[in-house]
Amino acid sequence: DQQVKQNSPSLSVQEGRISILNCDYTNSMFDYFLWYKKYPAEGPTFLISISSIKDKNEDGRFTVFLNKSAKHLSLHIVPSQPGDSAVYFCAASAWDGGSQGNLIFGKGTKLSVKP
Amino acid sequence: GAGVSQSPSNKVTEKGKDVELRCDPISGHTALYWYRQRLGQGLEFLIYFQGNSAPDKSGLPSDRFSAERTGESVSTLTIQRTQQEDSAVYLCASSGRLSGRITGELFFGEGSRLTVL
Repeated sequence: DQQVKQNSPSLSVQEGRISILNCDYTNSMFDYFLWYKKYPAEGPTFLISISSIKDKNEDGRFTVFLNKSAKHLSLHIVPSQPGDSAVYFCAASAWDGGSQGNLIFGKGTKLSVKP
Repeated sequence: GAGVSQSPSNKVTEKGKDVELRCDPISGHTALYWYRQRLGQGLEFLIYFQGNSAPDKSGLPSDRFSAERTGESVSTLTIQRTQQEDSAVYLCASSGRLSGRITGELFFGEGSRLTVL
């Protein structure tokens, strides 16, 4: 059973427009969420995170929104640029009081930003 | 370098052979993770280390898979009697600690691509 779901395997947007990548989770114990970006033949790189005590975190063109009641988070990229074309992974973790434990990743969404 | 280093970057082996994959985490990072990504799939958690101990081995697919970490540094992932379904990119990541909780911001290596013929 997938605990972190990214239901859109791909997304195509025009340069300059907004990209919205969605992620749903099932485990109510998750309290820390992250987005990673991955280019081909490279390891994923951390993009932005959000704690469950917040509902929004912004970093430049990237904003993550968290809706705990819906167990849903989204990543907004605005304006989108061709260099943003990559696979985006949503990840979640639960604090067990001792250590973080592992991060559970979604299957990823491939974003293509067209010039 | 300052990042997570993995070796080999590519490994082609015959079915039934054993392979060892190595990970050098970022110096000082207490947590070390192994994930794998099969073709067209997401990141599949295998195991993580807190220091030299492995609190969570739940992701190891079978008893052919094992991992160890020594000196709170280098980790080795060993796959015995490899099968074709083991073909994947094996990614290692490390993470530091902030305010008693690992930040969760994993720093990944470039991965070791394993092909089992």
